[in-house]
Amino acid sequence: ELKVEQNPLFLSMQEGKNYTIYCNYSTTSDRLYWYRQDPGKSLESLFVLLSNGAVKQEGRLMASLDTKARLSTLHITAAVHDLSATYFCAVDVGPRETSGSRLTFGEGTQLTVNP
Amino acid sequence: GAVVSQHPSRVICKSGTSVKIECRSLDFQATTMFWYRQFPKKSLMLMATSNEGSKATYEQGVEKDKFLINHASLTLSTLTVTSAHPEDSSFYICSAEGRGRIYGYTFGSGTRLTVV
Repeated sequence: ELKVEQNPLFLSMQEGKNYTIYCNYSTTSDRLYWYRQDPGKSLESLFVLLSNGAVKQEGRLMASLDTKARLSTLHITAAVHDLSATYFCAVDVGPRETSGSRLTFGEGTQLTVNP
Repeated sequence: GAVVSQHPSRVICKSGTSVKIECRSLDFQATTMFWYRQFPKKSLMLMATSNEGSKATYEQGVEKDKFLINHASLTLSTLTVTSAHPEDSSFYICSAEGRGRIYGYTFGSGTRLTVV
């Protein structure tokens, strides 16, 4: 059974600081996704990482993937209050004979950026 | 980009009644749709996967008779919560995957179900 573990689960940081959220997974994966969720809302897609060594950046967020280590990171640079949200990583195990592709989510990291 | 429309966004129903939630892919054909349930401050839990024209595949522990899923066309899947009870109250989110996995996964806006 695929396991996806995120840490930390809760993160409180001050504006202007940097921090990294980690996502470990237990089996070979085809793709890895990062999503943002605001309270009461659905998921907003942030990044899709497709191969070993992939790095993507958007604004103050940068995501990377190391398939050999089965690890993805989401790095936050100079955090601002607007980044406060819950961040999920999700691993795509690709097509399977019986069930097809599917996502397995990490537990989520609740980020609070304080002024 | 790919858009998935989910309706209703909020619904309140009485215990014992049924509620239908619709999930539509607006600008692409969704070969597979996924239904998730999310409890407060928790992650998404996959309930079932549906493919157009075939029976849904339910995750272990999900009651097939309570959560009826129909994927009648390449753009529409519905989740019906039958004989709803307060413990069915939750946030339900659908997701669609395009043909050939071109678009990856696109999520609907979610439905907040409250059973009173």
